[in-house]
Amino acid sequence: DVKVTQSSRYLVKRTGEKVFLECVQDMDHENMFWYRQDPGLGLRLIYFSYDVKMKEKGDIPEGYSVSREKKERFSLILESASTNQTSMYLCASRAGDQPQHFGDGTRLSIL
Amino acid sequence: DQQVKQNSPSLSVQEGRISILNCDYTNSMFDYFLWYKKYPAEGPTFLISISSIKDKNEDGRFTVFLNKSAKHLSLHIVPSQPGDSAVYFCAASAEGLSGGSEKLVFGKGTKLTVNP
Repeated sequence: DVKVTQSSRYLVKRTGEKVFLECVQDMDHENMFWYRQDPGLGLRLIYFSYDVKMKEKGDIPEGYSVSREKKERFSLILESASTNQTSMYLCASRAGDQPQHFGDGTRLSIL
Repeated sequence: DQQVKQNSPSLSVQEGRISILNCDYTNSMFDYFLWYKKYPAEGPTFLISISSIKDKNEDGRFTVFLNKSAKHLSLHIVPSQPGDSAVYFCAASAEGLSGGSEKLVFGKGTKLTVNP
């Protein structure tokens, strides 16, 4: 079974802080993704990566950056957290033509 | 510009009856469609998919139908069970037949409640 692990289930941070969300997958998948899920808006793609050190902007990249130094790990960075970044963040990974597999999410609150 | 639309935010059905969840799309380049199920406090889990070369795919109690001319797909759950109560997301991609491609576009989801 594919295992996508997000380091924190719940996180509370202050406005202006730099926030790191970590995601690790154990199946040697090439592709990894970061989404946010908000009520009434569904899942929106922030960034994705198709290889180590490669990244592509998704639909809502503003205010975020990503890092992929190793194949198994994909980090989402909020450079200066703001209250409108309070959300559920979901990481996913995929290999070949298989569907994306998701982690359980990190519920991030910015105060 | 919402490319994948789930127009029903919620649906309530009785246990044992059929649940039908609908999804419409606008991008004619979409060629692969997926349904995900999401329970509260968990990530979405893949349920079933269909490529544009088919009009039906079945997996146990779950069947997805695709009507390309109408740009419409639906998920049928028969019979519905209380454990099926969750939010269902429709998703689509436009990267050829390599399903689950780099970019998935999701609908806003439909919350299904199956009453005992």
